[in-house]
Amino acid sequence: QQPVQSPQAVILREGEDAVINCSSSKALYSVHWYRQKHGEAPVFLMILLKGGEQKGHEKISASFNEKKQQSSLYLTASQLSYSGTYFCGTEKDGNTPLVFGKGTRLSVIA
Amino acid sequence: NAGVTQTPKFRILKIGQSMTLQCTQDMNHNYMYWYRQDPGMGLKLIYYSVGAGITDKGEVPNGYNVSRSTTEDFPLRLELAAPSQTSVYFCASSQTGGATGELFFGEGSRLTVL
Repeated sequence: QQPVQSPQAVILREGEDAVINCSSSKALYSVHWYRQKHGEAPVFLMILLKGGEQKGHEKISASFNEKKQQSSLYLTASQLSYSGTYFCGTEKDGNTPLVFGKGTRLSVIA
Repeated sequence: NAGVTQTPKFRILKIGQSMTLQCTQDMNHNYMYWYRQDPGMGLKLIYYSVGAGITDKGEVPNGYNVSRSTTEDFPLRLELAAPSQTSVYFCASSQTGGATGELFFGEGSRLTVL
């Protein structure tokens, strides 16, 4: 079942913050986040396992609420380099391939 | 390090033609995947493999076939190409599956079927 991402698109000015959400109707084992710049391959950001952990990657962090089957990606003090499409990928049991959401297009402008 | 290498990068096919997208990885990863990406639709899994000799269907396998005779190679074959197969195809690999498996993607192969 494809996870639902929101918002579909967001435009930020440099220095502003953003939150991207990923939710599923099914119980989740883990959530993965990837960023894809235009014309390039997706690049791994982080994995969150069930247990409500939070991880950070530079000024990008994420949380995972397994009870709500939701994950959120937090981008603080956004930079121009953060522009791209962000995908969450979910899996249900630790042994199955990821199912990706449709993506959130993030544009950071000066 | 080359990582995951896909060929060709671009290809135009006529309806009914067949072709093979090549994917090679040099990281000795057991897990390999083929995804297709259509505008606004995210990444859809076509086929995947957990090791040489083992393949399994993903979400959208119809019209495609794969084989995995070696750890390094995971070619994707399109038989009787249709306009609906116009897409960008990504091959990916991971050292482990599931929860700990960071995916390493190739640069993609853009296929147009006319």
